[in-house]
Amino acid sequence: SSELTQDPAVSVALGQTVRITCQGDSLRGYYASWYQQKPGQAPVLVMHGKDSRPSGIPDRFSGSSSGNTASLTITGAQAEDEADYYCNSRDSSDARLFAGGTKLTVL
Amino acid sequence: QVHLQESGPGLVKPSETLSLTCTVSSGSVSSGNYYWSWIRQTPGKGLEWIGYIFYSGSTNYNPSLKSRVTISIDTSKNQLSLNLSSVTAADTAIYYCARDRRGINWFDPWGRGTLVTVSA
Repeated sequence: SSELTQDPAVSVALGQTVRITCQGDSLRGYYASWYQQKPGQAPVLVMHGKDSRPSGIPDRFSGSSSGNTASLTITGAQAEDEADYYCNSRDSSDARLFAGGTKLTVL
Repeated sequence: QVHLQESGPGLVKPSETLSLTCTVSSGSVSSGNYYWSWIRQTPGKGLEWIGYIFYSGSTNYNPSLKSRVTISIDTSKNQLSLNLSSVTAADTAIYYCARDRRGINWFDPWGRGTLVTVSA
C-alpha cells in the first residue's frame, strides 16, 4: 500500500511531551519528513531523515522510526507549537506521499 | 536563502486548463541535488503531491493526476510551470511549489502558495 496515516488530532498540556505518529508500509524502506503548518501559512520542514532538524528548528523537536511507524516528538511543548503536522515519505516509484495531518492542540 | 514564488490566475473556469509558474530566486533550478515539486492543499484539507521535475526535464507525477498534469522547467528563467487540464471544482486549492531533496525526499523551502478557484 502507498498510503500514510496519522491520527487526526492530538492534545498536550503546556510543557509536556507529545508524540505524533505516522504509519505506512513505505516507512519500512524510506524515512519520513515532518512539516509544521500554522493557519494561513505554508508548511515548514521541521524534521527529516533519521533525526535531522533543519537550521532554526528548536531542539525540543526530535524524530524516530521503527518498522512501519515514524514519530515526531516534541519534548516540552510550547504554545507556539500548536499547529497542523504532516508527515511525508515516498514509495518505490519515487512518488511522494503525504498523510492526512495531525492537529496539535497545546492546552 | 532560496526563495520560491508562485504566480498565475486565481480563477479558472471548469473544463479549462490551470496554469501556474514558480519563480526560484537566490538558488538555481539546475542544481543536481534537487527536484522541484508542485503540491496542493484543498481548503481545510491535507496536502497532495502533484508531481516533480528535474532540471533535465524528467518528471514524475501523482498517478491520480497523471493524465491531466504537465510540469515543465525553464532553466534560463529559473522557473518551473504547472499545467492541469480539464479542471473541476475539486481542483480548487492552494497550490505550492517546493524544492524537493533528490534521493531523500524532503520539501524545503516552500513558496507561500497561491489560491486557485475553479468556478464559472
